[in-house]
Amino acid sequence: AQSVTQPDIHITVSEGASLELRCNYSYGATPYLFWYVQSPGQGLQLLLKYFSGDTLVQGIKGFEAEFKRSQSSFNLRKPSVHWSDAAEYFCAVGANYGQNFVFGPGTRLSVLP
Amino acid sequence: DTAVSQTPKYLVTQMGNDKSIKCEQNLGHDTMYWYKQDSKKFLKIMFSYNNKELIINETVPNRFSPKSPDKAHLNLHINSLELGDSAVYFCASSQETAGEQYFGPGTRLTVT
Repeated sequence: AQSVTQPDIHITVSEGASLELRCNYSYGATPYLFWYVQSPGQGLQLLLKYFSGDTLVQGIKGFEAEFKRSQSSFNLRKPSVHWSDAAEYFCAVGANYGQNFVFGPGTRLSVLP
Repeated sequence: DTAVSQTPKYLVTQMGNDKSIKCEQNLGHDTMYWYKQDSKKFLKIMFSYNNKELIINETVPNRFSPKSPDKAHLNLHINSLELGDSAVYFCASSQETAGEQYFGPGTRLTVT
């Protein structure tokens, strides 16, 4: 069965600084990978996804993520963080068997003015 | 226009009561899900339905039961509510079981 880890529980960055959120997965084949964002009191919104092809994927709100098979990672990046990016970020992996869809524990992002 | 909707948004009830949460999706997806998010924001999948057939049933108490009258709806019934059931419950849907999921706004259940 697949699993997902997000090593950072809470990250704080200053507005305008760059951001990288880490995600590592465990899965026997090529996974489907996703990043979701949850603003306070809201549901989850899909930021971006990787199924195949180019390992650098672009998402909404200026986010991008890079799939690195050798490191079993799918880290999320943004070059310049805005105060509105403060939220909880979830990495997830989908598979055609096993648990089908598994979320990581989440990383809470705080943004300093 | 809402893709995945849930009602109610807030639900406050007493221990021992029975309650239901409704979910509807207008995306034409084949699979729908229920998740429980605890106070630490951890998301745990509870159920999923594909073409009206239960395909995942994690280790949740049998007090929880999903009901799918058709492909666009997946309701969650909870019997004999307990304090530990307090959480935010999210409905989601996807076209394939491994594809991206679209989430509803959540239902915050508080059991007193």
